Amino acid sequence: EVQLVESGGGVVRPGGSLRLSCAASGFTFDDYGMSWVRQAPGKGLEWVSGINWNGGSTGYADSVKGRFTISRDNAKNSLYLQMNSLRAEDTALYHCARARSPGSSGIYYFDYWGQGTLVTVSS
Amino acid sequence: EIVMTQSPATLSVSPGERATLSCRASQSVSSNLAWYQQKPGQAPRLLIYGASTRATGIPARFSGSGSGTEFTLTISSLQSEDFAVYYCQQYNNWPPGGTFGGGTKVEIK
Repeated sequence: EVQLVESGGGVVRPGGSLRLSCAASGFTFDDYGMSWVRQAPGKGLEWVSGINWNGGSTGYADSVKGRFTISRDNAKNSLYLQMNSLRAEDTALYHCARARSPGSSGIYYFDYWGQGTLVTVSS
Repeated sequence: EIVMTQSPATLSVSPGERATLSCRASQSVSSNLAWYQQKPGQAPRLLIYGASTRATGIPARFSGSGSGTEFTLTISSLQSEDFAVYYCQQYNNWPPGGTFGGGTKVEIK
């Protein structure tokens, strides 16, 4: 059974930092690209960042570029998101998701999701 | 960036009835369209990808259709467990994670 379990969320002041983690199990982790997708309270879904199977290619939404860094450790079956210079608008539930891409388009949908970890940015 | 528009925002349906949800893209996304279901407090669940292919374990009462800019998710006979929010996502154009619609809430009539 595929499982994705996020951790590391919490309350942080504007300008602060947090590091999110996602522990993956039930599949061969380094066969898949992975992503972070967030959901502001009561709102819809927004893709945040993605990484390919070996960490050699990463991508970011314009809203987080230059502030967030995605990484992975295939030996630990883990995905990470380092979030710096946090803003109030970054407040959201952050989901880890397994990415699937048709062909080699580099654009993907998500076939498994974690339940998320809540990040609240507030003074 | 492609904008995905879902309608209606809320759909009131009685159990056993058919539900038809719409998703429109601001430009063609070919058949690179996915649908997700999300229940309160739960992670999103992939229902459909490639506009019409059901994901693993998804019941046959869920079907997807369309291509280009107009897409439909049909639930043929609503069960109690189908009351949820449904999102469409295009994965044809940048950004790499595509863009999502605003969602349609299917509620009990």
